[in-house]
Amino acid sequence: KNEVEQSPQNLTAQEGEFITINCSYSVGISALHWLQQHPGGGIVSLFMLSSGKKKHGRLIATINIQEKHSSLHITASHPRDSAVYICAVYSGGGADGLTFGKGTHLIIQP
Amino acid sequence: DTAVSQTPKYLVTQMGNDKSIKCEQNLGHDTMYWYKQDSKKFLKIMFSYNNKELIINETVPNRFSPKSPDKAHLNLHINSLELGDSAVYFCASSQFEASGGYEQYFGPGTRLTVT
Repeated sequence: KNEVEQSPQNLTAQEGEFITINCSYSVGISALHWLQQHPGGGIVSLFMLSSGKKKHGRLIATINIQEKHSSLHITASHPRDSAVYICAVYSGGGADGLTFGKGTHLIIQP
Repeated sequence: DTAVSQTPKYLVTQMGNDKSIKCEQNLGHDTMYWYKQDSKKFLKIMFSYNNKELIINETVPNRFSPKSPDKAHLNLHINSLELGDSAVYFCASSQFEASGGYEQYFGPGTRLTVT
């Protein structure tokens, strides 16, 4: 069973700051996901990656397979980035679901 | 058009009742999932289903059963509801890739409250 740990659990920052959220997992995986859960409850997939780095707008996700670690970065943070960011891993074979971290609650203050 | 929809959005019911939550996806995906988010906001897989294979998380009570009338739907039936079943239930879908790893699309969630 894969254990997924995220840090920090809570993060409050000022608008414009560079944000980093970390995720580590215990067992080798096929892919890692970063999800965003809005205050209203909806969940959106931000990234799916199995190696290297991906960038979308102000968001950057990296993964180091050997170290079993991924980071999500937000550049020029904005209050609308306030949400819970969830790391999830896929390590099974076949049609299997995700194993989730407990999430990082991010608040960006104006 | 909504990619993954769930109904109802809110469900309040009494202990012992039987209820269903419906999920539909219009993405043409071949795999659907049910997740439970508890009061601490922790998400956990309940079921995954790709119209060939149902994979059940062993921690899910057998009072919970998924029903798939067709590839676009995966409904969740819950019998003899208990207080501990109160949670937000999310449906999701993905296109299964043999290489592993796939993007999932989530429904808006159904908040179930058992009184």
